[in-house]
Amino acid sequence: GNSVTQMQGQVTLSEEEFLFINCTYSTTGYPTLFWYVQYPGEGPQLLLKVTTANNKGSSRGFEATYDKGTTSFHLQKASVQESDSAVYYCVLGEAGNTGKLIFGLGTTLQVQP
Amino acid sequence: EAAVTQSPRNKVTVTGGNVTLSCRQTNSHNYMYWYRQDTGHGLRLIHYSYGAGNLQIGDVPDGYKATRTTQEDFFLLLELASPSQTSLYFCATLRGGSTGQLYFGEGSKLTVL
Repeated sequence: GNSVTQMQGQVTLSEEEFLFINCTYSTTGYPTLFWYVQYPGEGPQLLLKVTTANNKGSSRGFEATYDKGTTSFHLQKASVQESDSAVYYCVLGEAGNTGKLIFGLGTTLQVQP
Repeated sequence: EAAVTQSPRNKVTVTGGNVTLSCRQTNSHNYMYWYRQDTGHGLRLIHYSYGAGNLQIGDVPDGYKATRTTQEDFFLLLELASPSQTSLYFCATLRGGSTGQLYFGEGSKLTVL
């Protein structure tokens, strides 16, 4: 079946450090992959969407790509700020346009000043 | 003005109690979702719908009913609430199918004593 695995539960960085979060996915067909971000007290919101393997999506200084060969996709940012502290979810959109999206467990990013 | 509005924002009930969580959207999106969010489990899909009168079973449906009465309104029903249903519940809408963007409400915190 369709699934997404997000192993990093918590990441702690200092400001201006490099961020890398990785997920793996399992699906048939061509996946649509997303990164959502959730700030304290709010609902999740879309950060990035990637529809083509090896093509980068980018938003607010974040970049995302996915590798069909290793069925992995990742989120990175060159220099994090304290305001980036949040929970980041990798999300798989099921092929076949079922309307179902599968969330990873989330990675809590804490950026220290 | 918020496009996805949940009510109540906070609810406390006792074991065996009857709870209805409401969600109203102004997005005119076809898909609506109910998720629960728990530490260590991320976001889990309870039920979803692709239009008035339609209901699809999610990944954790036990103990929950849902009803989509109009394009705008989606309700989550807990007829015999249990402490295991203490959680933060999110409603979301989706533009497009599985390749689209989810729009979340601000969440409803339910405590079952």
